[in-house]
Amino acid sequence: GNSVTQMEGPVTLSEEAFLTINCTYTATGYPSLFWYVQYPGEGLQLLLKATKADDKGSNKGFEATYRKETTSFHLEKGSVQVSDSAVYFCALSDRNYGGATNKLIFGTGTLLAVQP
Amino acid sequence: DTGVSQDPRHKITKRGQNVTFRCDPISEHNRLYWYRQTLGQGPEFLTYFQNEAQLEKSRLLSDRFSAERPKGSFSTLEIQRTEQGDSAMYLCASSFSRQEKETQYFGPGTRLLVL
Repeated sequence: GNSVTQMEGPVTLSEEAFLTINCTYTATGYPSLFWYVQYPGEGLQLLLKATKADDKGSNKGFEATYRKETTSFHLEKGSVQVSDSAVYFCALSDRNYGGATNKLIFGTGTLLAVQP
Repeated sequence: DTGVSQDPRHKITKRGQNVTFRCDPISEHNRLYWYRQTLGQGPEFLTYFQNEAQLEKSRLLSDRFSAERPKGSFSTLEIQRTEQGDSAMYLCASSFSRQEKETQYFGPGTRLLVL
């Protein structure tokens, strides 16, 4: 079945460092790919998404490119801030009939801790 | 638009008791999803409604679990005869199926602890 694998954390970085969180997926068909973020004490928030191969999703300085050839959707940010400290989840949508997305399949999450 | 809301936010119960959670989706959203998240794991899909119809259920949803969405608005998730293994965060999400690039929006979750 479809699945998502993301790098284990925690990832600890100093402020202004470059961030990469790896995510690879296994899927039949052409799923949409997502990164969700969960800040301490808050619910899941959509960070960015990409719906087809070679699409780049971006938001708040984060970006990820849908790579079908490597089945990857790595999250990157050029300069992290303390406020980026959170758990990041990679996810794919399991498309049903008609091409509409339905349930999400998540990775296990990666804790990012940014130190001043 | 107040977003997806869930009630209660926290629930402590004793093993064997029944519990019920409520989810209110974003008002114009016709799809509603339930997920379960245990510590250190990503959310896992439980079930999904389009309007009032329950279209898919995960094998994780044992016969002790039942979900409803009367009139296609709010939804309830009931767990009967709770077990300690049911302790988790229960998340609700909603979306609009006619949106070209459908996005699920999550509520804050209900944290269940079964003693």
